[in-house]
Amino acid sequence: TQLLEQSPQFLSIQEGENLTVYCNSSSVFSSLQWYRQEPGEGPVLLVTVVTGGEVKKLKRLTFQFGDARKDSSLHITAAQPGDTGLYLCAGAAERGSTLGRLYFGRGTQLTVWP
Amino acid sequence: DTEVTQTPKHLVMGMTNKKSLKCEQHMGHRAMYWYKQKAKKPPELMFVYSYEKLSINESVPSRFSPECPNSSLLNLHLHALQPEDSALYLCASSSDLPSFGYEQYFGPGTRLTVT
Repeated sequence: TQLLEQSPQFLSIQEGENLTVYCNSSSVFSSLQWYRQEPGEGPVLLVTVVTGGEVKKLKRLTFQFGDARKDSSLHITAAQPGDTGLYLCAGAAERGSTLGRLYFGRGTQLTVWP
Repeated sequence: DTEVTQTPKHLVMGMTNKKSLKCEQHMGHRAMYWYKQKAKKPPELMFVYSYEKLSINESVPSRFSPECPNSSLLNLHLHALQPEDSALYLCASSSDLPSFGYEQYFGPGTRLTVT
């Protein structure tokens, strides 16, 4: 069962363009995390959003958590080649024995061309 | 310090070998995880340790055997693996406190090749 639907799966853009990646679910999460991963390396945590409606900014990256804590988006302004990588969203389970367990989206492979 | 370390970085092993992967964190986290990741796919959860006790085993074959010697260390013992077990193996840790959003910190991974 894919709890988190992440889109788009692939994104190829020119330097300077803006982009948005979406993660959607019918499940409520206690928090949602965004990671960026380079080939052959571990995912690097970019941000954790916890409160419904929360917006966090990290330089040119803006992260939003939906009011109902079921969806999230990542917006990159003026993308640069250094932004190239696999972006993963992951929701932390809210209840019971699965508390804290992460459910990953399929990932978005972003390529930014100079 | 949000570092999780993993050794070795790369490992090539035959199907009859026995090897171990090691993971260490010094963030005081009480939950530690093993994931398996194939190319261009998200990580797949294998095992979860909470307070040094195995709390989740995602029906992983017995040729993978986890061990948590103490709250900072996590091992994954490998025996009689198959070529399809070749993958990037990731270790992660997290606080068990909801105020931290259960965010997980990943190590750099071990690239395992089974020949």
